[in-house]
Amino acid sequence: GQQLNQSPQSMFIQEGEDVSMNCTSSSIFNTWLWYKQDPGEGPVLLIALYKAGELTSNGRLTAQFGITRKDSFLNISASIPSDVGIYFCAGQPSYNTDKLIFGTGTRLQVFP
Amino acid sequence: DGGITQSPKYLFRKEGQNVTLSCEQNLNHDAMYWYRQDPGQGLRLIYYSQIVNDFQKGDIAEGYSVSREKKESFPLTVTSAQKNPTAFYLCASSLGSSGANVLTFGAGSRLTVL
Repeated sequence: GQQLNQSPQSMFIQEGEDVSMNCTSSSIFNTWLWYKQDPGEGPVLLIALYKAGELTSNGRLTAQFGITRKDSFLNISASIPSDVGIYFCAGQPSYNTDKLIFGTGTRLQVFP
Repeated sequence: DGGITQSPKYLFRKEGQNVTLSCEQNLNHDAMYWYRQDPGQGLRLIYYSQIVNDFQKGDIAEGYSVSREKKESFPLTVTSAQKNPTAFYLCASSLGSSGANVLTFGAGSRLTVL
């Protein structure tokens, strides 16, 4: 099955730094979602995007729905230790609205 | 509080045995999903159901079976035909065709084959 191209695969940063990650697709998407997964737990929704060009914030997190509808970006400002985890993008393609396509994940490590 | 409950959290199985993972939701969601996650990997769709008494195969359905007899419940059976069943299994639900396809996940079940 199709998976989204998510980068970077992993990041090791110092507390207080900003973080950026992105997802790209060869297909047009109707919806972009960003999830965070803590070790041994299920993913939790961070931000949902529904329109091309949309920019949405959730605290220190900001995500954007790319204008081409083929990509999305997630930024985390002033990282803290509890930001550690795996971040997944997910999209609903225009050609199949029954299910989401997931990215391969970005593993974030924050050092004090 | 509404949510998705998966059980058991940890399960050990001998080779050749079938096991069933439970998934119950009280969100009144129409659609339910099962995903498999391997270490360092993304989520791969096993089966999904948009409505009671109906379900479709996902990308890796071989060796798995499901049922959807009630709206709230979507159990997954890992059969002996699944060659490499050790993994982390995630159940999710969404409003389905009646709303945006935003998934809510359970806490997961970790299956280990001995």
